[in-house]
Amino acid sequence: GQSLEQPSEVTAVEGAIVQINCTYQTSGFYGLSWYQQHDGGAPTFLSYNALDGLEETGRFSSFLSRSDSYGYLLLQELQMKDSASYFCAVNSNYQLIWGAGTKLIIKP
Amino acid sequence: SAVISQKPSRDICQRGTSLTIQCQVDSQVTMMFWYRQQPGQSLTLIATANQGSEATYESGFVIDKFPISRPNLTFSTLTVSNMSPEDSSIYLCSVIEGPDSNQPQHFGDGTRLSIL
Repeated sequence: GQSLEQPSEVTAVEGAIVQINCTYQTSGFYGLSWYQQHDGGAPTFLSYNALDGLEETGRFSSFLSRSDSYGYLLLQELQMKDSASYFCAVNSNYQLIWGAGTKLIIKP
Repeated sequence: SAVISQKPSRDICQRGTSLTIQCQVDSQVTMMFWYRQQPGQSLTLIATANQGSEATYESGFVIDKFPISRPNLTFSTLTVSNMSPEDSSIYLCSVIEGPDSNQPQHFGDGTRLSIL
């Protein structure tokens, strides 16, 4: 079967750095996407890795290792507005296979 | 990236009725999708909306319950038919803009649907 694993919940302190991991097992792989979703909102695209390595966009970075079927999202200088759910999703054979999401709780 | 407008943003409906959700994109896009997200859950793909032909439905979703239209490259509708409380969810359309079908998807703001 196809599956993605990510932690259900992560807690961090404002101003800190947090890493959300994602491991995947899919029949096809074209890239790993990350989305942010605030309560009551729609998913917002954050980043996409098709090749191994680190992609940086402001305070957010995403990493991919295809040989390990593993990626992570790194959030730096955490702000209260970063409190949200974060989903990893694999682009596989023209579809997105979604993880269950990680709820990020930020404490002052 | 493309601007994706979804209407209505929310609705409260009576069981047994039907609701049509619209998704309008400000540019032509290669692919459009419809998802459902139940409270506290991840996203589930309902179908791929194909321009000029019948949608491609995922397992567990049928055309009679979720008819989809896509008359052109910028517009699609999803109808939720004969609604029951189990249909209470967020319904989302998403698009892939470029020719590569494995590029990231971008989402509209969603339709929050409650069935009484």
